[in-house]
Parts: sequence; C-alpha cells; structure tokens
Amino acid sequence: AQTVTQSQPEMSVQEAETVTLSCTYDTSESDYYLFWYKQPPSRQMILVIRQEAYKQQNATENRFSVNFQKAAKSFSLKISDSQLGDAAMYFCAYRSGRDDKIIFGKGTRLHILP
Amino acid sequence: DVKVTQSSRYLVKRTGEKVFLECVQDMDHENMFWYRQDPGLGLRLIYFSYDVKMKEKGDIPEGYSVSREKKERFSLILESASTNQTSMYLCASSLFGTGDNQPQHFGDGTRLSIL
Repeated sequence: AQTVTQSQPEMSVQEAETVTLSCTYDTSESDYYLFWYKQPPSRQMILVIRQEAYKQQNATENRFSVNFQKAAKSFSLKISDSQLGDAAMYFCAYRSGRDDKIIFGKGTRLHILP
Repeated sequence: DVKVTQSSRYLVKRTGEKVFLECVQDMDHENMFWYRQDPGLGLRLIYFSYDVKMKEKGDIPEGYSVSREKKERFSLILESASTNQTSMYLCASSLFGTGDNQPQHFGDGTRLSIL
C-alpha cells in the first residue's frame, strides 16, 4: 500500500524568506500523481501545485515550486518570498494512476513570522 | 469554479443519535469522498463513491455509512453517534480521471461534536 510521510509537523519562516516543506512517499507504481494542498485557518482545502510522475520537469506555480526526486521518492514544496497569507496547514498527497483515491500525509503547519 | 457545499459548519449531537452530514457539488463530478481530519492524524478516508448508488469503503468505515442517490449529493451517516466520532469532517469531489492528474475539490468542513 502507498504511504505519504511528512516528517515536519510544524515549521516557521520569516516573512519574505524561503522555506521548504518535505514529503516522501512509498509506492511500487510507476504511474502516479503528486499534489500539495493548503488548508488556511478558514479550513477550506485548496490545491497549491500538482506533478505528474512521468514528467521530469519540476512544477512551478508563481512563488510555489516543487523538487521532485522520483528515484528518492521525494516531493518537497518550496515557497519563495513567504507572505503572511501563506500561514496554513500543508498536506502532501499521492494519487495512483490506477484509481481516483488520494492518500494524504499528516500535514505540516507553517507559521510565518512578521 | 467548483463549489462543494457542506450543509453545516458546526454541529453538536448527543451520543446514540443518528447524524446526517450532507455534501453537494455543482460541477457534475463523478467522484465524491468523505474524510475525517484529526490533529496529528491528517485526513483519513471514510468512504468514497465513483458513481450514483456506488460506494466503497475507505480506511476507517466503521461506525459510518453513506448514501449517493443523486450524482451531486453524497451523505455521510453516523448510525449511532459516539464520542470518538467527534472530529472535523471534510467532503471532496473530483472528476473521474484515471490516467489524469485530477485533484480533489473540498468543502469548508463540518466540525462535529458528540456529547
């Protein structure tokens, strides 16, 4: 069975600095998709960024980018120029290429220090 | 934009009551999911549905059932609520997308307290 591990329950970063959230996963599949979700204090979960396993190029969305290391089964999220609105719980998620279920990590709570 | 609406933001019920949590999505998504979210445990899948009248157990289905009579609506039922079911419940939906990177879209969540 696939698993997703986020080893950092909480992190803090100074406003305008860069922070990296780590995620590792375990799978025997070659076809899969990876996601980072953000859950602000208002609670609605929103998609931040997605990556297809067959793509070697790392996904980027404005200040958010990933470092996808397929051999190492690592999928870290980098947030550049951190802003107060980035404070949230971040979840790493895995989706098999065989079905539509998504498996979530336990989350990392990110604090932004002014 | 996809909208997933959960009927209640906060709900307080008593032990032994039958509790219904409702979720409606407006984008004709085939897939719908119910999770519970607890501190330190992340999101755990309770049930999901790929189509009307179809349901499959997730990782923690015990004590719960679901109903999907219409494509847009997915209900979570606590047959006899217990205090260990106090939690945040999140509903999500997605397009049927095997072979594609379809994300899930979430509702605002229901904070359920069982007294």
